[in-house]
Amino acid sequence: QKEVEQNSGPLSVPEGAIASLNCTYSDRGSQSFFWYRQYSGKSPELIMFIYSNGDKEDGRFTAQLNKASQYVSLLIRDSQPSDSATYLCAVRYSGNTPLVFGKGTRLSVIA
Amino acid sequence: EAGVAQSPRYKIIEKRQSVAFWCNPISGHATLYWYQQILGQGPKLLIQFQNNGVVDDSQLPKDRFSAERLKGVDSTLKIQPAKLEDSAVYLCASSVKGGGLNEQYFGPGTRLTVT
Repeated sequence: QKEVEQNSGPLSVPEGAIASLNCTYSDRGSQSFFWYRQYSGKSPELIMFIYSNGDKEDGRFTAQLNKASQYVSLLIRDSQPSDSATYLCAVRYSGNTPLVFGKGTRLSVIA
Repeated sequence: EAGVAQSPRYKIIEKRQSVAFWCNPISGHATLYWYQQILGQGPKLLIQFQNNGVVDDSQLPKDRFSAERLKGVDSTLKIQPAKLEDSAVYLCASSVKGGGLNEQYFGPGTRLTVT
């Protein structure tokens, strides 16, 4: 059973701080990794994806992937109250296999 | 570009009743997904279609759930009979094609409450 693990939170950070969200996965052969944001009562929306070891930056967001340790993280710089949401990590194990989602981490940015 | 459309947005039924959900994907998207999201959990894939063929339905409870995408465009998901544990949000998503780094676009979801 392929699993994706996330701390459910809530993770509380003050406005302007860096929020760090972590995700681990069970299958070492996993190929691509996605971060989705889901506001309460809304559907998930893609923030970014990563498939190579290292960092990938997009605006205030940085995804970090370490395949040897089987973890992927999302950093949100200069956190804003509007970033308060649940962040879902999703993993694609190979080719055309479907995404496997974690349970999500609830982030609360305090003004 | 219009997004993924779903209806109804909300549905309340009693256990053992039947219910159907409808999804219209983004135009030109070959791959369509149905997910179940129980409160406090991440989405769980129920079924994936590529055009009108099933790619993956390994987590679909086939004794009570069925889905079809007859013309390779819109899709319906049916539950018959419903159980209390089916209370969840049912999300439809589509992508240009499946796999790889293709982005999945989610619809607004249908919130089902089974009493």
